[in-house]
Amino acid sequence: QSALTQPPSASGSPGQSVTISCTGTSSDVGGYNYVSWYQQHPGKAPKLMIYEVSKRPSGVPDRFSGSKSGNTASLTVSGLQAEDEADYYCSSYAGSNNFVFGTGTKVTVL
Amino acid sequence: EVQLVETGGGLIQPGGSLRLSCAASGFTVSSNYMSWVRQAPGKGLEWVSVIYSGGSTYYADSVKGRFTISRDNSKNTLYLQMNSLRAEDTAVYYCARGTAATPFDYWGQGTLVTVSS
Repeated sequence: QSALTQPPSASGSPGQSVTISCTGTSSDVGGYNYVSWYQQHPGKAPKLMIYEVSKRPSGVPDRFSGSKSGNTASLTVSGLQAEDEADYYCSSYAGSNNFVFGTGTKVTVL
Repeated sequence: EVQLVETGGGLIQPGGSLRLSCAASGFTVSSNYMSWVRQAPGKGLEWVSVIYSGGSTYYADSVKGRFTISRDNSKNTLYLQMNSLRAEDTAVYYCARGTAATPFDYWGQGTLVTVSS
């Protein structure tokens, strides 16, 4: 199972929006609505930010939103804040009881 | 409050074995999906294994036949038995709780496994 493809980096100024893509295949992202997104600060464990493509867990700001079109999912962070600077990973169910993560995107707040 | 605490990491020679533990509190391990996810130094996340509430277990191809996931319901603890370790198994190993909709909704702090001679 190959990792989902994410851009290595993305950036934006405070208050701006940044969108991260996550490209897979019809066997993972395109085949299931089980795409989730995780935020990871340096030296910390990942934190769930979005699940089932576009749902937010309790406590996650509504500045974070998710969507999917075909084999590509996206995470948008609106109104960027300094604390949003982190690595972001997508994940998808890949069928046959397998799961796959994305390659990761480093978000920099300029 | 959901908490996951991993232990058991360390330095091990290639070909050796190690058992990781993940002690859970605030929920029942046997009622949830429980997974192991690893992260090599400076690299991305890689799913390793899952055990479902019914007891079925599944593995990534990279560890199949070498790693075994299990749980002790009486101790509310998840385990990962790792045999025939290779240098490429060097990583921080996280345990994570999940459901069908959210396979990794809570994570532990991770434990570092270093495979080196």
